Amino acid sequence: AQRVTQPEKLLSVFKGAPVELKCNYSYSGSPELFWYVQYSRQRLQLLLRHISRESIKGFTADLNKGETSFHLKKPFAQEEDSAMYYCALKSNTDKLIFGTGTRLQVFP
Amino acid sequence: KAGVTQTPRYLIKTRGQQVTLSCSPISGHRSVSWYQQTPGQGLQFLFEYFSETQRNKGNFPGRFSGRQFSNSRSEMNVSTLELGDSALYLCASTGITGARSGELFFGEGSRLTVL
Repeated sequence: AQRVTQPEKLLSVFKGAPVELKCNYSYSGSPELFWYVQYSRQRLQLLLRHISRESIKGFTADLNKGETSFHLKKPFAQEEDSAMYYCALKSNTDKLIFGTGTRLQVFP
Repeated sequence: KAGVTQTPRYLIKTRGQQVTLSCSPISGHRSVSWYQQTPGQGLQFLFEYFSETQRNKGNFPGRFSGRQFSNSRSEMNVSTLELGDSALYLCASTGITGARSGELFFGEGSRLTVL
């Protein structure tokens, strides 16, 4: 089965603290994984994709095939990072399968 | 370019009624996907249309249907509404490069409340 699991519904940290949003996937083959973000009153939008190996707004995510994980990390959280984060997997029919999301709250 | 436009933004229906939601993709995008977003389930895939053909379908009952027109605009219909259909329905479009890269462009959604 192709599935994305985000075990945390809510993650609360203080500004300047490190952040790690967990994502695990189930997929046979080479997965393509993504992180999408939804800020308050904004549309859901792509944050980053594992293929690009990029850092966006200080966030990075590394694909770990051994642990079937794609955790999103940022060394120093900012208040403007507060949002809903969704991990997504591209299925073998090219549709995106999303996890249930993690709400990140960054306190001042 | 104008973004993905969904109408109506909010609507209230009663059980047993039916509803039609509309989505206009970004100009030039031929793929339109629909998702149901609820707090507990996150985003659940409903279906995807490309060039007026349903290319992918999620695990929703037959009460949920959709279609795409020649101008790439899409509609989804839910018949015999149930309380559990209350949700935010998101439409997303993508172009050829977006389909390869996995980048979907989302609308603001249509919030359906079933009473």
